[in-house]
Amino acid sequence: GAGVSQSPSNKVTEKGKDVELRCDPISGHTALYWYRQRLGQGLEFLIYFQGNSAPDKSGLPSDRFSAERTGESVSTLTIQRTQQEDSAVYLCASRVGHLDFYEQYFGPGTRLTVT
Amino acid sequence: GQQLNQSPQSMFIQEGEDVSMNCTSSSIFNTWLWYKQDPGEGPVLLIALYKAGELTSNGRLTAQFGITRKDSFLNISASIPSDVGIYFCAGRSTSGTYKYIFGTGTRLKVLA
Repeated sequence: GAGVSQSPSNKVTEKGKDVELRCDPISGHTALYWYRQRLGQGLEFLIYFQGNSAPDKSGLPSDRFSAERTGESVSTLTIQRTQQEDSAVYLCASRVGHLDFYEQYFGPGTRLTVT
Repeated sequence: GQQLNQSPQSMFIQEGEDVSMNCTSSSIFNTWLWYKQDPGEGPVLLIALYKAGELTSNGRLTAQFGITRKDSFLNISASIPSDVGIYFCAGRSTSGTYKYIFGTGTRLKVLA
């Protein structure tokens, strides 16, 4: 497809379980972002990948959160030992490059519910 | 996580009215962006601003990069029902990274 895709679209998990969320960026986009959006709130930056550079992990809220990206393709966001406060929509975005005038294109998000 | 202050938080307006919203930061930003998010979708970029004082239009939308570099404004003229949604500002700080901080959102409802 032409846009950013994310899977699953919805995920319900029990507290304490691990979850993996997947993001397929637009082909050729070297920059990839993960954000968290709690209900009724704005987007909270989690992590940023740019090419082969070390990722900016400054937004990850705890060591239960981690993300990987293989080259300039798929990224996975992993949340270990999920807690109820992890319930949110997790959005992924990709850009052609790291310069300012390159637009971020967002995926539709994965809605995570921790019961 | 860090978020920008955006106001108003929500607003109901009549179709045809003009709308104004703003975003403020305690720190200086190099770039300001305005997005619109519809239910169940990711945000879509409306306007990007790269210079202090810059005023940019996109159809009925006009946005300005504040001269202090700590704020930005978005105006929507002659609102229509499809303007309904959540509007977010986002900024990139001067710290050198390409991390974007988002505002808390303005929920717009247009009454026909």
